[in-house]
Amino acid sequence: DQQVKQNSPSLSVQEGRISILNCDYTNSMFDYFLWYKKYPAEGPTFLISISSIKDKNEDGRFTVFLNKSAKHLSLHIVPSQPGDSAVYFCAASEGGGADGLTFGKGTHLIIQP
Amino acid sequence: NAGVMQNPRHLVRRRGQEARLRCSPMKGHSHVYWYRQLPEEGLKFMVYLQKENIIDESGMPKERFSAEFPKEGPSILRIQQVVRGDSAAYFCASSPRGHLNTGELFFGEGSRLTVL
Repeated sequence: DQQVKQNSPSLSVQEGRISILNCDYTNSMFDYFLWYKKYPAEGPTFLISISSIKDKNEDGRFTVFLNKSAKHLSLHIVPSQPGDSAVYFCAASEGGGADGLTFGKGTHLIIQP
Repeated sequence: NAGVMQNPRHLVRRRGQEARLRCSPMKGHSHVYWYRQLPEEGLKFMVYLQKENIIDESGMPKERFSAEFPKEGPSILRIQQVVRGDSAAYFCASSPRGHLNTGELFFGEGSRLTVL
Protein backbone atom coordinates (compact mmCIF):
# COMPACT_ATOMS: atom_id res chain seq x y z
CA ASP A 1 0.00 0.00 0.00
CA GLN A 2 1.75 3.11 -1.25
CA GLN A 3 1.14 6.08 0.97
CA VAL A 4 3.11 8.45 -1.26
CA LYS A 5 2.53 8.18 -4.98
CA GLN A 6 4.35 9.71 -7.88
CA ASN A 7 2.35 8.54 -10.85
CA SER A 8 4.68 9.78 -13.56
CA PRO A 9 7.82 7.64 -13.81
CA SER A 10 9.34 10.15 -16.19
CA LEU A 11 8.83 13.66 -17.49
CA SER A 12 10.50 15.40 -20.39
CA VAL A 13 10.66 19.22 -20.48
CA GLN A 14 12.38 21.65 -22.78
CA GLU A 15 15.15 23.79 -21.32
CA GLY A 16 13.83 27.16 -20.15
CA ARG A 17 10.27 25.91 -19.66
CA ILE A 18 8.53 25.05 -16.41
CA SER A 19 8.82 21.55 -14.96
CA ILE A 20 5.94 20.39 -12.77
CA LEU A 21 6.35 17.23 -10.74
CA ASN A 22 3.35 15.84 -8.92
CA CYS A 23 2.91 13.81 -5.78
CA ASP A 24 -0.18 12.42 -4.04
CA TYR A 25 -0.47 10.98 -0.57
CA THR A 26 -3.07 8.99 1.28
CA ASN A 27 -2.06 9.31 4.93
CA SER A 28 -3.84 12.31 6.45
CA MET A 29 -1.41 12.21 9.38
CA PHE A 30 1.47 13.40 7.19
CA ASP A 31 2.31 16.96 8.14
CA TYR A 32 5.69 17.58 6.58
CA PHE A 33 6.65 17.08 2.97
CA LEU A 34 9.99 17.13 1.25
CA TRP A 35 11.47 16.85 -2.22
CA TYR A 36 14.78 15.15 -2.83
CA LYS A 37 16.82 15.10 -6.01
CA LYS A 38 18.97 12.17 -7.00
CA TYR A 39 21.63 11.80 -9.67
CA PRO A 40 22.72 8.33 -10.83
CA ALA A 41 25.12 6.56 -8.42
CA GLU A 42 24.70 9.31 -5.82
CA GLY A 43 22.61 9.62 -2.71
CA PRO A 44 19.49 11.79 -2.68
CA THR A 45 19.99 15.43 -1.77
CA PHE A 46 17.43 17.56 -0.06
CA LEU A 47 15.83 20.16 -2.28
CA ILE A 48 12.91 21.86 -0.59
CA SER A 49 10.27 21.15 2.05
CA ILE A 50 6.90 22.38 3.21
CA SER A 51 4.98 22.12 6.43
CA SER A 52 1.27 21.35 6.39
CA ILE A 53 0.52 24.76 7.87
CA LYS A 54 1.63 26.36 4.62
CA ASP A 55 0.43 25.97 1.06
CA LYS A 56 3.48 27.30 -0.72
CA ASN A 57 7.22 27.47 -0.19
CA GLU A 58 9.63 29.05 -2.61
CA ASP A 59 13.40 28.80 -2.90
CA GLY A 60 14.95 30.31 -5.99
CA ARG A 61 13.78 28.42 -9.06
CA PHE A 62 11.99 25.83 -6.94
CA THR A 63 8.49 26.19 -5.52
CA VAL A 64 6.49 23.55 -3.72
CA PHE A 65 2.71 23.79 -3.52
CA LEU A 66 0.60 21.85 -1.05
CA ASN A 67 -3.12 21.19 -1.41
CA LYS A 68 -4.14 19.45 1.81
CA SER A 69 -7.76 18.91 0.86
CA ALA A 70 -6.66 17.08 -2.28
CA LYS A 71 -3.71 15.42 -0.53
CA HIS A 72 -1.56 16.63 -3.37
CA LEU A 73 1.71 18.47 -3.69
CA SER A 74 3.71 19.61 -6.63
CA LEU A 75 7.20 20.86 -7.31
CA HIS A 76 7.65 23.61 -9.88
CA ILE A 77 11.03 24.33 -11.42
CA VAL A 78 11.28 27.44 -13.53
CA PRO A 79 13.17 27.95 -15.70
CA SER A 80 14.30 24.37 -16.15
CA GLN A 81 18.02 23.85 -16.72
CA PRO A 82 20.00 20.86 -18.04
CA GLY A 83 21.45 20.26 -14.57
CA ASP A 84 17.94 19.67 -13.29
CA SER A 85 17.85 16.32 -15.10
CA ALA A 86 17.63 13.81 -12.25
CA VAL A 87 15.19 11.61 -10.36
CA TYR A 88 12.99 13.57 -7.98
CA PHE A 89 11.55 11.88 -4.91
CA CYS A 90 8.61 13.17 -2.94
CA ALA A 91 8.70 12.27 0.77
CA ALA A 92 6.39 12.75 3.72
CA SER A 93 6.56 12.42 7.46
CA GLU A 94 4.29 12.44 10.48
CA GLY A 95 4.99 14.53 13.54
CA GLY A 96 7.22 17.11 11.88
CA GLY A 97 10.35 15.06 12.23
CA ALA A 98 12.61 12.94 10.13
CA ASP A 99 11.52 9.65 11.67
CA GLY A 100 10.78 7.19 8.95
CA LEU A 101 10.27 9.40 5.94
CA THR A 102 7.97 7.72 3.42
CA PHE A 103 9.17 8.16 -0.14
CA GLY A 104 7.45 7.94 -3.48
CA LYS A 105 8.97 5.91 -6.31
CA GLY A 106 10.40 8.96 -7.97
CA THR A 107 9.98 10.82 -11.25
CA HIS A 108 12.82 10.93 -13.73
CA LEU A 109 12.98 14.48 -15.09
CA ILE A 110 14.74 14.94 -18.41
CA ILE A 111 15.52 18.45 -19.55
CA GLN A 112 15.92 18.64 -23.30
CA PRO A 113 18.13 21.33 -24.86
CA ASN B 1 33.57 18.78 6.35
CA ALA B 2 32.88 15.26 5.15
CA GLY B 3 29.37 14.21 4.36
CA VAL B 4 27.77 10.90 5.20
CA MET B 5 30.27 8.18 4.36
CA GLN B 6 29.15 4.72 3.37
CA ASN B 7 31.28 1.72 2.60
CA PRO B 8 31.64 -0.41 0.73
CA ARG B 9 30.14 1.33 -2.29
CA HIS B 10 29.66 -2.03 -3.96
CA LEU B 11 29.43 -5.43 -2.36
CA VAL B 12 28.95 -8.78 -4.04
CA ARG B 13 27.87 -11.76 -1.98
CA ARG B 14 26.78 -15.32 -2.71
CA ARG B 15 23.53 -16.63 -1.33
CA GLY B 16 23.90 -17.59 2.31
CA GLN B 17 26.79 -15.24 3.07
CA GLU B 18 26.68 -12.24 5.35
CA ALA B 19 26.72 -8.61 4.25
CA ARG B 20 27.90 -5.76 6.44
CA LEU B 21 27.32 -2.20 5.39
CA ARG B 22 28.87 0.70 7.26
CA CYS B 23 27.80 4.28 7.66
CA SER B 24 29.57 7.17 9.31
CA PRO B 25 27.20 10.10 9.81
CA MET B 26 28.12 13.69 9.21
CA LYS B 27 30.16 15.30 11.94
CA GLY B 28 27.90 16.42 14.74
CA HIS B 29 25.00 14.21 13.67
CA SER B 30 23.80 11.66 16.17
CA HIS B 31 20.77 10.34 14.29
CA VAL B 32 21.18 7.70 11.62
CA TYR B 33 18.64 6.23 9.24
CA TRP B 34 18.88 3.33 6.84
CA TYR B 35 16.82 3.13 3.66
CA ARG B 36 16.68 0.49 0.96
CA GLN B 37 15.98 1.09 -2.70
CA LEU B 38 15.00 -1.93 -4.74
CA PRO B 39 15.26 -1.71 -8.56
CA GLU B 40 12.52 0.52 -10.00
CA GLU B 41 11.30 1.39 -6.51
CA GLY B 42 11.48 4.36 -4.20
CA LEU B 43 13.39 4.51 -0.97
CA LYS B 44 11.93 2.40 1.81
CA PHE B 45 12.60 3.26 5.42
CA MET B 46 14.25 0.48 7.37
CA VAL B 47 15.51 1.70 10.73
CA TYR B 48 16.25 4.83 12.73
CA LEU B 49 19.01 4.79 15.34
CA GLN B 50 20.66 7.07 17.78
CA LYS B 51 23.90 6.23 19.55
CA GLU B 52 23.45 2.82 21.21
CA ASN B 53 19.69 2.91 20.69
CA ILE B 54 17.29 1.66 18.05
CA ILE B 55 14.49 4.20 17.95
CA ASP B 56 12.32 2.81 15.17
CA GLU B 57 12.87 -0.45 13.33
CA SER B 58 9.42 -0.77 11.85
CA GLY B 59 10.81 -1.04 8.32
CA MET B 60 13.28 -3.81 9.04
CA PRO B 61 12.52 -7.35 7.88
CA LYS B 62 11.88 -9.50 10.92
CA GLU B 63 14.61 -12.00 10.15
CA ARG B 64 18.23 -11.84 9.02
CA PHE B 65 18.49 -8.03 9.24
CA SER B 66 19.96 -6.12 12.16
CA ALA B 67 21.38 -2.67 12.72
CA GLU B 68 23.47 -1.01 15.35
CA PHE B 69 24.99 2.37 16.04
CA PRO B 70 27.56 1.91 18.80
CA LYS B 71 28.94 4.59 21.05
CA GLU B 72 32.14 4.58 19.03
CA GLY B 73 32.39 3.87 15.34
CA PRO B 74 30.03 3.73 12.41
CA SER B 75 26.51 2.44 12.20
CA ILE B 76 26.36 -1.06 10.73
CA LEU B 77 23.56 -2.71 8.81
CA ARG B 78 24.03 -6.46 8.87
CA ILE B 79 22.26 -8.92 6.62
CA GLN B 80 22.74 -12.58 7.43
CA GLN B 81 22.26 -15.43 4.98
CA VAL B 82 21.64 -13.11 2.06
CA VAL B 83 19.19 -14.04 -0.68
CA ARG B 84 18.87 -12.66 -4.21
CA GLY B 85 15.96 -10.47 -3.12
CA ASP B 86 18.32 -8.55 -0.85
CA SER B 87 20.07 -7.11 -3.91
CA ALA B 88 19.44 -3.39 -3.66
CA ALA B 89 21.00 -0.04 -2.94
CA TYR B 90 21.18 0.67 0.78
CA PHE B 91 21.30 4.31 1.72
CA CYS B 92 22.30 5.73 5.03
CA ALA B 93 21.22 9.21 6.11
CA SER B 94 21.97 11.32 9.14
CA SER B 95 20.52 14.39 10.79
CA PRO B 96 21.62 16.57 13.68
CA ARG B 97 18.27 16.13 15.37
CA GLY B 98 15.61 13.49 15.13
CA HIS B 99 12.04 14.21 15.95
CA LEU B 100 10.83 17.79 15.53
CA ASN B 101 13.66 18.83 13.26
CA THR B 102 13.12 20.17 9.78
CA GLY B 103 12.92 16.69 8.34
CA GLU B 104 15.99 17.24 6.23
CA LEU B 105 18.19 14.19 5.99
CA PHE B 106 21.69 14.09 4.57
CA PHE B 107 22.23 10.96 2.53
CA GLY B 108 25.33 9.00 1.76
CA GLU B 109 26.08 7.75 -1.75
CA GLY B 110 24.74 4.32 -0.98
CA SER B 111 26.05 0.78 -0.85
CA ARG B 112 25.01 -1.43 -3.72
CA LEU B 113 24.60 -5.04 -2.71
CA THR B 114 24.48 -7.71 -5.37
CA VAL B 115 23.66 -11.26 -4.35
CA LEU B 116 24.68 -13.91 -6.83
